[in-house]
Amino acid sequence: GEDVEQSLFLSVREGDSSVINCTYTDSSSTYLYWYKQEPGAGLQLLTYIFSNMDMKQDQRLTVLLNKKDKHLSLRIADTQTGDSAIYFCAETLYNQGGKLIFGQGTELSVKP
Amino acid sequence: GAVVSQHPSRVICKSGTSVKIECRSLDFQATTMFWYRQFPKQSLMLMATSNEGSKATYEQGVEKDKFLINHASLTLSTLTVTSAHPEDSSFYICSAPAGGLGDTQYFGPGTRLTVL
Repeated sequence: GEDVEQSLFLSVREGDSSVINCTYTDSSSTYLYWYKQEPGAGLQLLTYIFSNMDMKQDQRLTVLLNKKDKHLSLRIADTQTGDSAIYFCAETLYNQGGKLIFGQGTELSVKP
Repeated sequence: GAVVSQHPSRVICKSGTSVKIECRSLDFQATTMFWYRQFPKQSLMLMATSNEGSKATYEQGVEKDKFLINHASLTLSTLTVTSAHPEDSSFYICSAPAGGLGDTQYFGPGTRLTVL
C-alpha cells in the first residue's frame, strides 16, 4: 500500500546543517516533494525531485533520493531560526491524477 | 510561482450552520483541485478531488453529503461543510496543480474552521 513515513522531531543549532529523512513504500512514485508549513499557514513548496534522479541542489537545499532503499532526504545547509517549521515529504504515484500522499511531517526546531 | 488563495482564512460558526470555503487559482487555470483536512500536529488528509464540470471524487470515509464540493469554473472550487458540528473544526487546505515539469501542486493558505 501507499505509506510515507518521517521522524516527528529534529532539533539543531543555528548555523548547523539539518537533515530530514523520509521513507516511502510504493515503487511507482513519479515525483517526490518537500513542503514547508509554518504555524497557521498553508504549505510552501520547497523543492521536488523526479523519481529517476539521485540528487537535486537548490541554494541551501539538497535533496537525495535512494530509489533502491526508497529513502528521500532533505538537507538544509546553514540552518537559520527562520527555517523552524514542519517539513512534509510527499509523493505522487503514476496514473493517480496528481494525488499527493504525505508523510506525518517533521517538526524542525532551530535554536540560536 | 503559481498562487492559490482561500477565503475566508478563519471562520467561527454555530453548530448546525453551513460554511462555504472558496479556493481560487489566481494566475493559472486548474481543471482539478484537491481538498485536504489537517488536525493539529498531524499530516494532511486528502478529502476529495474537485473536477471542473463534473462530480468530485471523494476519498474513502469522507461523507459526500456532508462536504459538498463544486468546481464551478477553471479557477474556483468551493467546499461547503453542511450542518457543521464541533468535530468538523479543523484546518482545511486546498491545492491545485499548476502543470509543467513535476506537475507541482500549489497550496492555498488554509481556512481555520471552528464550530462552537
